[in-house]
This record gives sequence, C-alpha cells and structure tokens, in this order.
Amino acid sequence: DADVTQTPRNRITKTGKRIMLECSQTKGHDRMYWYRQDPGLGLRLIYYSFDVKDINKGEISDGYSVSRQAQAKFSLSLESAIPNQTALYFCATKGRGSSANDGYTFGSGTRLTVV
Amino acid sequence: QQPVQSPQAVILREGEDAVINCSSSKALYSVHWYRQKHGEAPVFLMILLKGGEQKGHEKISASFNEKKQQSSLYLTASQLSYSGTYFCGTEGGGTSYGKLTFGQGTILTVHP
Repeated sequence: DADVTQTPRNRITKTGKRIMLECSQTKGHDRMYWYRQDPGLGLRLIYYSFDVKDINKGEISDGYSVSRQAQAKFSLSLESAIPNQTALYFCATKGRGSSANDGYTFGSGTRLTVV
Repeated sequence: QQPVQSPQAVILREGEDAVINCSSSKALYSVHWYRQKHGEAPVFLMILLKGGEQKGHEKISASFNEKKQQSSLYLTASQLSYSGTYFCGTEGGGTSYGKLTFGQGTILTVHP
C-alpha cells in the first residue's frame, strides 16, 4: 500500500457542487499539506496542518476548507466548486525535523475537473 | 513569493550535463529539490539546510548559497531516466517555517 493515499484519483463535478478530496497516510508524520498544480505555475499551497489542532491557510485558500480528522487523515473540501478550481491536487506529508532525508512524501494526486 | 527557476526547459543528449537554478527574494532556511515524471507525483531528491552545504544523490548534486538566497541542482552524465520536471521548494524562517513554496519548474528532456 502507498504511504500517502489520495481518493478519488479522478473526479468530474459540476459548478456549484460541494466536493471532498481525502488523504490518508501511514508514515506517522505530523505535518500534512494540500497543494494544487496548474501547468506552468508549479505547486501552490492551499492549506497545511502541523498537528490535529493546528491548521493554517496557505497562499491560495479562498474557496477551500480542510479538516484534520486524525493524525493520519487530512481532507480538502471545495464548498461550491467553480471551473477555475480544475487542477491536479496533491496531498503531502512531512515529519518534524530537518534531517538529510526529511523531504515531503506526496500522494498520487487527484485530478479534478469542474464543468 | 515563488522562487524563480531557470532555465524553464532544457534538452540534453545522454551523457551531457545540466544546471538548474533556483533563486528566492526571501531569506531561506532550507531548499528542497524534487523531480516529477509525467502523470506522477513529485519525488524528493534532496534537502539543503542553510550553511552553504553541497549534497549529492547518485550523479545529481546541489549547492545552497544562503547569502545569495540561491540554490543550484547539478545533473552530470545525464541518463534517460533523468527526464522530468524539476522543482525547487524553499522554506523560510519565522512564519514561513515548516512549509515549502515551490518554483514553477524546469522541464528536463534527455534524448538518446
């Protein structure tokens, strides 16, 4: 099984619908992140969480909300989806500390299309 | 603010070398490098902490000049498997600690 699992892998939804993207991890990491990727723009941070009670907005949080249900689970919701939220969404995890091997572990991504 | 990567794209033949640069307008605590193959998730290559160290990973190494707020990724004797998009992710101090801001990516294509 993957260390970081995202569901669904692909989703097409209609404008105005509420949708939830889920992320779960078996790494035992405290830190979890949601990024979106658009062509030519790299990865942009939506929300991040350092533990269950610590949730923070990223640079592009408008139109999104999150829930950290447990250390291992971090969900991203689009309250009322709009077409410019069409993107590839990645969940990532990281342990505390800054050791030589301490990078992000990414999930496989969710490709979301809003029509 | 996003770090700026250069070049935006580079094309190589197997065995050639390449350098990818990452420049930030903010003071940095660390720099990460990732590689993403088409249709896949980014994969962590290495982290450089402030202190100006240089790291190596197979034939890929990197340097970090914290005074200039710049990092460079060096790919030597490139292989077909090196093809992909390379991202730097920068971490600042203070309120920026613990989260990465990614550059726009550099597309590397290696031909036989």
